[in-house]
Amino acid sequence: AQRVTQPEKLLSVFKGAPVELKCNYSYSGSPELFWYVQYSRQRLQLLLRHISRESIKGFTADLNKGETSFHLKKPFAQEEDSAMYYCALKDSGAGSYQLTFGKGTKLSVIP
Amino acid sequence: DAGVTQSPTHLIKTRGQQVTLRCSPKSGHDTVSWYQQALGQGPQFIFQYYEEEERQRGNFPDRFSGHQFPNYSSELNVNALLLGDSALYLCASSLIRGANTDTQYFGPGTRLTVL
Repeated sequence: AQRVTQPEKLLSVFKGAPVELKCNYSYSGSPELFWYVQYSRQRLQLLLRHISRESIKGFTADLNKGETSFHLKKPFAQEEDSAMYYCALKDSGAGSYQLTFGKGTKLSVIP
Repeated sequence: DAGVTQSPTHLIKTRGQQVTLRCSPKSGHDTVSWYQQALGQGPQFIFQYYEEEERQRGNFPDRFSGHQFPNYSSELNVNALLLGDSALYLCASSLIRGANTDTQYFGPGTRLTVL
């Protein structure tokens, strides 16, 4: 079974401080990992996915298969980063379409 | 393009009733997925529709059923409502590329309250 764990419900950091949102997963197959973000009063949207290896809004995430982790990082937090962040997993194999989400971490950036 | 739209925004039902939620995908998208998000939880996959057929289903009872129309819009039906069905129901659309589903775009959700 697929499982995604985000150990922190709430993470508060000061503006300009580094941010790390943790995500661990449990899956025996070959996963694709994603980070989705939901800003206040907005809909859930894709932030980044591990296969594209992009940096979006200064955020990066590296898939560590040995530690089964996909932590989201940003060197300097901004107030506009305050939002709900969800880590999600999908089987990369053909015939699998569902996203399995973690419970989310609320990031609060203190001015 | 308004993106993914869902109706209604809010809905209140009583136990035992039936409910239908609607979703219109983003323009050009052909695949619709439904998720249930209980308070304080992440979205949970219910099922996905493509070419008017259910392609994959999550761990939800048969009380949850769906439909996809030729214009790619979709409905989620829930029968015999339970208090535990109270949640935000999210619709996501995507475009099939090859064998797997591309990025999913989410709608604003329908808030269902069961009394």
